[in-house]
This record gives sequence, C-alpha cells and structure tokens, in this order.
Amino acid sequence: DGGITQSPKYLFRKEGQNVTLSCEQNLNHDAMYWYRQDPGQGLRLIYYSQIVNDFQKGDIAEGYSVSREKKESFPLTVTSAQKNPTAFYLCASTDRGTEQFFGPGTRLTVL
Amino acid sequence: AQSVTQLDSQVPVFEEAPVELRCNYSSSVSVYLFWYVQYPNQGLQLLLKYLSGSTLVKSINGFEAEFNKSQTSFHLRKPSVHISDTAEYFCAVSGGPIYSSASKIIFGSGTRLSIRP
Repeated sequence: DGGITQSPKYLFRKEGQNVTLSCEQNLNHDAMYWYRQDPGQGLRLIYYSQIVNDFQKGDIAEGYSVSREKKESFPLTVTSAQKNPTAFYLCASTDRGTEQFFGPGTRLTVL
Repeated sequence: AQSVTQLDSQVPVFEEAPVELRCNYSSSVSVYLFWYVQYPNQGLQLLLKYLSGSTLVKSINGFEAEFNKSQTSFHLRKPSVHISDTAEYFCAVSGGPIYSSASKIIFGSGTRLSIRP
C-alpha cells in the first residue's frame, strides 16, 4: 500500500536536546511538507520541499531544520532553539495536483 | 493574503440529527477549497474538495459542502450523523494547485464534532 509513514509515534525530549522526526513516503510525490498542530490553532506550516535538495521555510520555521536528500524522505529536526516544541507534528506530500496526503503524526513532548 | 475562519470550535449534536460546520474564507483570487477530517491521534484525511464546476460536492460517507462565492463560504453538512463521525474537521483553502510555492494550503483552526447517543 502506498502512503506516508512517520516515526516515532510518540517522542519525549529533554530540554536542550535536538530530536529528529522521520517522514517517508512511497507515493512518488515531488512535494513534501511539515506542519505543527497545537490545540485550537489548526495546522501551521514549518517547512516544505518541492524537489530533492531544495526546501523553503514556512510560517514558523524558527528552531527547526530539514533536509531532502532523497525524494521519499523529508526528516525534521527540532533543535534546542525551538522554545516551545511540545506539539503534534504532521508530515504531508502531494503530487502535481490538488490533494495533500498526510502521515499519522508524531507527538513530541518536552520533559 | 488568504485566510480561513471556522466559526465554531466545538459542535455537539445528537446521533441521527443533522449538522452544519461553518467555514468562511477570504481570498483575492480564485480558490480551491477542502474539508479534512482528523480522528484522535491520527493524521488528516481528505473528506471532499471543490476545485471548479458544480458548487455542491459530496463525500462517500454522506457529507456535502457547497461553495458560495458571494458569501465566501464552504459549509459542511450532513443530514444525519453517526457516532463514527466524531472527529475534528478542518476547512482549508489554496489559491491553486498546492504544489506551487505561490499556492500553499491554509487551514482553519478546526471544529470538534461530538456525537451524543
């Protein structure tokens, strides 16, 4: 089955640590996205990538970094510079069309 | 700039009752409109979308939404809800094909639909 996988499902981080969230897709989609979801605020775009080795900042990129070395992979690193990282993180992808496909999400909690 | 407003953060209804989830958008260009559904601790799934053509669009599980350009609305309706419809619903808008850097998708803040037996 084609789809998007995110791992881990739950992640705990101590303050001051960097953590990397994984996102893999086998849909052969060119574009991939990272969103942050907080209660009552909907989804906010962190980073997106339209092709391999290229990515752009979204609305809330500060404290985050990404890479796109392979078409199917778009990992997100939450750095220690992100002051309030506790949230639900969603990865999505799209072909050259009109629908975004979402992964199951990673819930990050800072202890 | 585009924006989306979902007027109700929570909507409680009884099972088998009708429901309407309201969505208004602002955009200076032509729009694509979407409704997504999110079940607890899961990702979002596309429920239905309006791209062009008929202003009434329907999903396979009985939901429908009508694009109203004059009122800049895209309200979601279902004539009779089921317990399994309990979820959070997100309205979204984009100015065109969403792979374009000029046409990012903008999400509303969500409406939590809770169904009472």
